[in-house]
Amino acid sequence: GQNIDQPTEMTATEGAIVQINCTYQTSGFNGLFWYQQHAGEAPTFLSYNVLDGLEEKGRFSSFLSRSKGYSYLLLKELQMKDSASYLCAVLDSNYQLIWGAGTKLIIKP
Amino acid sequence: DSGVTQTPKHLITATGQRVTLRCSPRSGDLSVYWYQQSLDQGLQFLIQYYNGEERAKGNILERFSAQQFPDLHSELNLSSLELGDSALYFCASSVATGGGLETQYFGPGTRLLVL
Repeated sequence: GQNIDQPTEMTATEGAIVQINCTYQTSGFNGLFWYQQHAGEAPTFLSYNVLDGLEEKGRFSSFLSRSKGYSYLLLKELQMKDSASYLCAVLDSNYQLIWGAGTKLIIKP
Repeated sequence: DSGVTQTPKHLITATGQRVTLRCSPRSGDLSVYWYQQSLDQGLQFLIQYYNGEERAKGNILERFSAQQFPDLHSELNLSSLELGDSALYFCASSVATGGGLETQYFGPGTRLLVL
């Protein structure tokens, strides 16, 4: 079957750095997405990785290792507004998006 | 603003009733996706349409149906509603022609409450 694993919940301090991991086992791979979702709101697109390596976008970076079936989202200089759920999703060989359950990130002052 | 619109924003109805949720995709997007998200739960994929045709089906109940019209807007019909159908229903759209063009952009959602 297809499976995406992420930690259920993480806590970090304002101004610090946090890394949210995602491991996947899917039927094929056509890219990995990260989304941010604030409570009660729609998911918003953060990043797309299809090649190995690190993609940096402001305070957020996303890393992919296809051989290890592994990705992480790195958030720097954490702000209170970064408190949200972070969803990892993989595009499989049929171009279907397989979603992880999400990681709830709690930022403390 | 993602460019995806959904109506209505809120819907309150009774068990056994039928409702229709509407979604208009971003300009240029051919594919529409429907998701259900119950309180504190993950996104549950329901169904995908591409240029008017059903492309993929997820965990969609038989009481639920959807369609995509020639102008590419989509409707999700929920019938014989039960208390457990209370949830946020999201529509997303994408170009859906591979790679990064599969990026889905989400509408603000319809919050359904079944009493």
